[in-house]
Amino acid sequence: DSGVTQTPKHLITATGQRVTLRCSPRSGDLSVYWYQQSLDQGLQFLIQYYNGEERAKGNILERFSAQQFPDLHSELNLSSLELGDSALYFCASSVISSGPEQYFGPGTRLTVT
Amino acid sequence: GIQVEQSPPDLILQEGANSTLRCNFSDSVNNLQWFHQNPWGQLINLFYIPSGTKQNGRLSATTVATERYSLLYISSSQTTDSGVYFCAVISSGSARQLTFGSGTQLTVLP
Repeated sequence: DSGVTQTPKHLITATGQRVTLRCSPRSGDLSVYWYQQSLDQGLQFLIQYYNGEERAKGNILERFSAQQFPDLHSELNLSSLELGDSALYFCASSVISSGPEQYFGPGTRLTVT
Repeated sequence: GIQVEQSPPDLILQEGANSTLRCNFSDSVNNLQWFHQNPWGQLINLFYIPSGTKQNGRLSATTVATERYSLLYISSSQTTDSGVYFCAVISSGSARQLTFGSGTQLTVLP
């Protein structure tokens, strides 16, 4: 158990819908990262927050957004969902902004039908 | 951006055999991690090893940062070692995110 929690574990929804994925980092970790794992793109970085502020952006679509709250949990919002958004979404956390070691949550498996 | 290449892409072993997985990266790094993704999809941290050698039970890893590669050794493999092994790096400089290789799919047969 990495200490990073993610809810829900599984999510099935229809195209065009909006969903929210939630992540709680390890106790004491200030930095939260979101990654997407899809069959065709592999594991890709989406976005990072550090102590409530956005720090880095990767290949995140405009339909996706995230935030980190004062209690340091983070939410990833996915809207106008398409079939291609079906993937495993991971949250990771680390103590400081640039690492060193990132710990991953169990992931949320999103299926868009 | 930094490129991460893993080899071999697939590996099939008999239980009890040893194996070596390789990770090459194209630029200097200040973070390198090895992960095991189990059949349930969970990413398990194996090693944080930007340089040097570490051992944990039957697993060990070595990173030669000056030559831009890392090796993961699995000895006396067990069926529970099956899954995908990923190498991921953070390049030196301002990057903060992990860049993952495409993984090595390991199957250990009983």
